[in-house]
Amino acid sequence: GQNIDQPTEMTATEGAIVQINCTYQTSGFNGLFWYQQHAGEAPTFLSYNVLDGLEEKGRFSSFLSRSKGYSYLLLKELQMKDSASYLCAVKKNTDKLIFGTGTRLQVFP
Amino acid sequence: NAGVTQTPKFRVLKTGQSMTLLCAQDMNHEYMYWYRQDPGMGLRLIHYSVGEGTTAKGEVPDGYNVSRLKKQNFLLGLESAAPSQTSVYFCASSTGGWDQPQHFGDGTRLSIL
Repeated sequence: GQNIDQPTEMTATEGAIVQINCTYQTSGFNGLFWYQQHAGEAPTFLSYNVLDGLEEKGRFSSFLSRSKGYSYLLLKELQMKDSASYLCAVKKNTDKLIFGTGTRLQVFP
Repeated sequence: NAGVTQTPKFRVLKTGQSMTLLCAQDMNHEYMYWYRQDPGMGLRLIHYSVGEGTTAKGEVPDGYNVSRLKKQNFLLGLESAAPSQTSVYFCASSTGGWDQPQHFGDGTRLSIL
């Protein structure tokens, strides 16, 4: 079976730091992707992790622990434009991604 | 650089009607995908293709058919639309490499009355 869990909604204040967690149980694992999706728009790629540890890209970082089936996306210095849904997706093989239901983040001034 | 283009952007159908959604990519990607996105359900894979002339079923293939006659195009067909197929449909493409992301189109908002 496969299960990917993320919180449904989160709120944060402009300039703050927020951590969005993702836990997964899948038969097969070949990496974990994070996507950002603004309301009414297409998902866009943020990060990819396949080895344990932290990957940093500017204000965004993503962490993976394969043994724990756990990842998080860390957003620093939050801006209003970061208000969006954040999708966690597990790559089971070269063909397919399995997506979580997404976390809707609202950033307030 | 167009990327992934979906046509149409919006459509309203009556139950029982048929239609085809078109996805075109200009990145020379081998892999193409069709997803549907419903509130509280996340993105679910309908069908996908790993190259020209190939198709395969995803998580929720029932009621849909696909064709990949040309590498750059991936068509999604609804033969007899049902209200349960009201959704936002996204097409995506990728090179297929392990660490390569999927690139998404802007979506087609489809309502079945």
